[in-house]
Amino acid sequence: KAGVTQTPRYLIKTRGQQVTLSCSPISGHRSVSWYQQTPGQGLQFLFEYFSETQRNKGNFPGRFSGRQFSNSRSEMNVSTLELGDSALYLCASSLVVGEQYFGPGTRLTVT
Amino acid sequence: QKEVEQDPGPLSVPEGAIVSLNCTYSNSAFQYFMWYRQYSRKGPELLMYTYSSGNKEDGRFTAQVDKSSKYISLFIRDSQPSDSATYLCAMSDLTGGSQGNLIFGKGTKLSVKP
Repeated sequence: KAGVTQTPRYLIKTRGQQVTLSCSPISGHRSVSWYQQTPGQGLQFLFEYFSETQRNKGNFPGRFSGRQFSNSRSEMNVSTLELGDSALYLCASSLVVGEQYFGPGTRLTVT
Repeated sequence: QKEVEQDPGPLSVPEGAIVSLNCTYSNSAFQYFMWYRQYSRKGPELLMYTYSSGNKEDGRFTAQVDKSSKYISLFIRDSQPSDSATYLCAMSDLTGGSQGNLIFGKGTKLSVKP
């Protein structure tokens, strides 16, 4: 069974630009969550989507947004990039409560 | 006070040792407790999942939850060099049917020496 896939794996952007990251969940999983991982703050929850609806949102500014498509694939977008947005962005999918399976992440560097 | 506290280590043990990893938390509403293992440059891998209090065993791994003390542990028996990784605890109340919104500890970096 294929795991969670994320594209691209690495990305370098300039301050002020915007970026879109993509996540394909495990087949049959309808819940997709996004997290940001940095050395200083660790793993922090961004938002969760279920059946194309945002079900939960973390404490991040409105520059961070996401969406989910009818096939459960999800994208997250960060607008007006800041240096502090440099991080590993992780997507996780879930079929049952409590079991989240993570993808390999997209490493974003903002210069 | 952070919601979830985890000793960052690093923790270095000889091969075959018993490893104890711990987290404390402050939110008494947490009901779901997980342990993840993360190798360098990889995404976290789910190791153990426990609902409410009690113990759960899976091979060399045992997870314990003590809700009265707001304390969770992961024990690794007969540790192997391949266990060298960062171990993250995570927890949630998963209210409203949400399957996301896990609160993570900062992770403990473990090194098992041959």
